[in-house]
Amino acid sequence: GAGVSQSPRYKVAKRGQDVALRCDPISGHVSLFWYQQALGQGPEFLTYFQNEAQLDKSGLPSDRFFAERPEGSVSTLKIQRTQQEDSAVYLCASSLGAGYNSPLHFGNGTRLTVT
Amino acid sequence: AQKITQTQPGMFVQEKEAVTLDCTYDTSDQSYGLFWYKQPSSGEMIFLIYQGSYDEQNATEGRYSLNFQKARKSANLVISASQLGDSAMYFCAMREGRNSNYQLIWGAGTKLIIKP
Repeated sequence: GAGVSQSPRYKVAKRGQDVALRCDPISGHVSLFWYQQALGQGPEFLTYFQNEAQLDKSGLPSDRFFAERPEGSVSTLKIQRTQQEDSAVYLCASSLGAGYNSPLHFGNGTRLTVT
Repeated sequence: AQKITQTQPGMFVQEKEAVTLDCTYDTSDQSYGLFWYKQPSSGEMIFLIYQGSYDEQNATEGRYSLNFQKARKSANLVISASQLGDSAMYFCAMREGRNSNYQLIWGAGTKLIIKP
């Protein structure tokens, strides 16, 4: 496809369940980012991949959050033992290059609701 | 300290008028990029326009232009002839060259509402 694809679009999880969010970046894009966005706020950085290497995971809020991109394309963000505070929109973005002048292109996001 | 400041939490503008959304930034880097994104109520984050720190000309993309004043560290977005579909949140963001992952640093956003 032409853009970044995220699935599922919506996810409702009971507290304590594990969830997996998928991101399919634009073909050939080297850099991949995950962001968390609370209602009415700007996105908060979670983690960054350059190809298959996870170069920065400093934004992951706890060790319940785990991300991977094993073949340098599709990425999965996994949240174990979900808590209510995990409810948010999770945005994935990719960029062609790794430099400061390369725009990030975002998917439509996954809205996670933990009940 | 805030690296990206958007001073207008909300704006109401009459349809067909031009709109200027303010953004100031703070960096000691010489190499950086400035971006504007639009987020409608449906949630997708749409890239609008990019300005590089070394670009001498202001960036333009259709009805969008970026008023880049480097000495003042200002990168205002101008939307000409506003349309009802322009109603959305608008975020200014920056990528710094020395940041090892070039992650986007975001402003708080401006909610723009276009009145018919």
